[in-house]
Amino acid sequence: AQSVTQLDSHVSVSEGTPVLLRCNYSSSYSPSLFWYVQHPNKGLQLLLKYTSAATLVKGINGFEAEFKKSETSFHLTKPSAHMSDAAEYFCVVSDRGGFKTIFGAGTRLFVKA
Amino acid sequence: GAVVSQHPSWVICKSGTSVKIECRSLDFQATTMFWYRQFPKQSLMLMATSNEGSKATYEQGVEKDKFLINHASLTLSTLTVTSAHPEDSSFYICSAIPGTSGIGDTGELFFGEGSRLTVL
Repeated sequence: AQSVTQLDSHVSVSEGTPVLLRCNYSSSYSPSLFWYVQHPNKGLQLLLKYTSAATLVKGINGFEAEFKKSETSFHLTKPSAHMSDAAEYFCVVSDRGGFKTIFGAGTRLFVKA
Repeated sequence: GAVVSQHPSWVICKSGTSVKIECRSLDFQATTMFWYRQFPKQSLMLMATSNEGSKATYEQGVEKDKFLINHASLTLSTLTVTSAHPEDSSFYICSAIPGTSGIGDTGELFFGEGSRLTVL
């Protein structure tokens, strides 16, 4: 069985400060892990993915995430927030086929000027 | 590559009418597509798995006769909301897995832009 928990429903940061969005998962097999971003009334855009290669994954727009098996975590970080980063972020765990995909509840990121 | 187009983006209809939403994979073939519903400030809820050439697989609690899914080709799946009512108003999103075997290599899903349905 798989599950994913996004530990914060809302995160607020000031522009130019670091971003940390937390995600913990559980899986009975080696999962693929993803972070997607959703802007209002839009579909989901892939930020980055982990698929058993390097544990530190770099994505688009300066985001990165580290897969930590011992902590069952896949936290999303960015060194410096930009106003355009304000959106909803989803942590997703999946099997390799994509048929068993579990979405986190989402974390709303607010960026203050 | 791997672009999924969803149409229409916005639709407003009267109560009792039916609305069709299309999901197309533009540059790849997809045996399997997924349909989700998203309520405000909530995550995606899987409604059904659309399988090319066969019947869709619906999640528990989703009315098959209300939400008709047709996957007529390897690049097109449609969701028809029949006899729509205000409670059907929502944001509907589709996704697809590249590959005619229905098996991707990483589990990555490619999402459409979503369709906002408002039933008056």
